[in-house]
Amino acid sequence: NAGVTQTPKFRILKIGQSMTLQCTQDMNHNYMYWYRQDPGMGLKLIYYSVGAGITDKGEVPNGYNVSRSTTEDFPLRLELAAPSQTSVYFCASSHSPGQGPEQYFGPGTRLTVT
Amino acid sequence: DQQVKQNSPSLSVQEGRISILNCDYTNSMFDYFLWYKKYPAEGPTFLISISSIKDKNEDGRFTVFLNKSAKHLSLHIVPSQPGDSAVYFCEAILDHNAGGTSYGKLTFGQGTILTVHP
Repeated sequence: NAGVTQTPKFRILKIGQSMTLQCTQDMNHNYMYWYRQDPGMGLKLIYYSVGAGITDKGEVPNGYNVSRSTTEDFPLRLELAAPSQTSVYFCASSHSPGQGPEQYFGPGTRLTVT
Repeated sequence: DQQVKQNSPSLSVQEGRISILNCDYTNSMFDYFLWYKKYPAEGPTFLISISSIKDKNEDGRFTVFLNKSAKHLSLHIVPSQPGDSAVYFCEAILDHNAGGTSYGKLTFGQGTILTVHP
């Protein structure tokens, strides 16, 4: 099992550009998440999904969009990139409730907006 | 409002000694707590968890203690090894069996950088 994979690993965007961060998991998890981590801060939840076709906002959703057309994939879309979106982005997945609360994280995407 | 806090940004320990990482929380309704370890340029990996109905959980060199009256969680690593050098995050979960999640139900601390010297 590859677990959770993310692409790209690094990206530099100019202000106003758009991009999609890809996330795929091969563990058949229903729950998937997108987090951002800023320096010296914990992980902040951007969006999450409890299954294909179902997504909802987390703590810091502004400036982002997600979709979940399959169980495996959970892409994160940045529209009109801003310097405040410079961060490291982590995708994660987990079992459904009752099967263990731990999350499995991807390696992260380091994004710089200049 | 930071519901989960790791007040020590860093901790330095000698190899073979005990490392104690701490986490404080404010919401007494959290029902599950987890610790993750993160190496540079990698995602966090799950280490150990504890349910709020327990006060201790042990897995090899790692033990997590939960003091509900003090709303305090700690991770003990004995003996510490240089390979344990990483950032450690605590996470608190609310209603983890409820069949849903929301941002208010998954809260991470800021992390503590552990350095274990040979």
